Amino acid sequence: AQKVTQAQTEISVVEKEDVTLDCVYETRDTTYYLFWYKQPPSGELVFLIRRNSFDEQNEISGRYSWNFQKSTSSFNFTITASQVVDSAVYFCALSSNDYKLSFGAGTTVTVRA
Amino acid sequence: GAVVSQHPSWVICKSGTSVKIECRSLDFQATTMFWYRQFPKQSLMLMATSNEGSKATYEQGVEKDKFLINHASLTLSTLTVTSAHPEDSSFYICSAVIPGRFTDTQYFGPGTRLTVL
Repeated sequence: AQKVTQAQTEISVVEKEDVTLDCVYETRDTTYYLFWYKQPPSGELVFLIRRNSFDEQNEISGRYSWNFQKSTSSFNFTITASQVVDSAVYFCALSSNDYKLSFGAGTTVTVRA
Repeated sequence: GAVVSQHPSWVICKSGTSVKIECRSLDFQATTMFWYRQFPKQSLMLMATSNEGSKATYEQGVEKDKFLINHASLTLSTLTVTSAHPEDSSFYICSAVIPGRFTDTQYFGPGTRLTVL
């Protein structure tokens, strides 16, 4: 069975602060895929990143960065210099080759001006 | 890029009625679509896998007779909530997979908010 744990329920920061969202996963598969999605109040899921299990390279995209560590089964997400528009619920998710996504509980990020 | 649409975006119905939600892939053919459900302030849970031309496969705990899924064409999957009750009120989201390729993302629809009175 696959499991994704996002231990942080809510995070509140002031604009321009950095915020790191933790994600720990469990799977028995040797090949798997990790994702981060953003869900603004509108409800629509916004894809942020996909990472394959065999690719441990960290990635940076603008103010977003991701740290994938297989040794600790973690796939953490950092928003640098947060902005009010970053306020949303962020989900970490895991899938195997069947495309079925197992989502974490989500972390609500509130960025205050 | 690939776009998935859902209709309606929101629906309010009376208890006991049936509601149909459509999921369409607008610019690609999808042999596989998924239906997720999200209760308020909770995560998304996979309900079922919709396969074009065959029966849907349901996740454990999801009543197949209550949530009827039909994937009649390569661009359309429908979810019908039969005899809806207030506890079925939720946000229903579909997703579509481009066959033979799993690239950067699974494409999600914008969701349908169902409220059962």
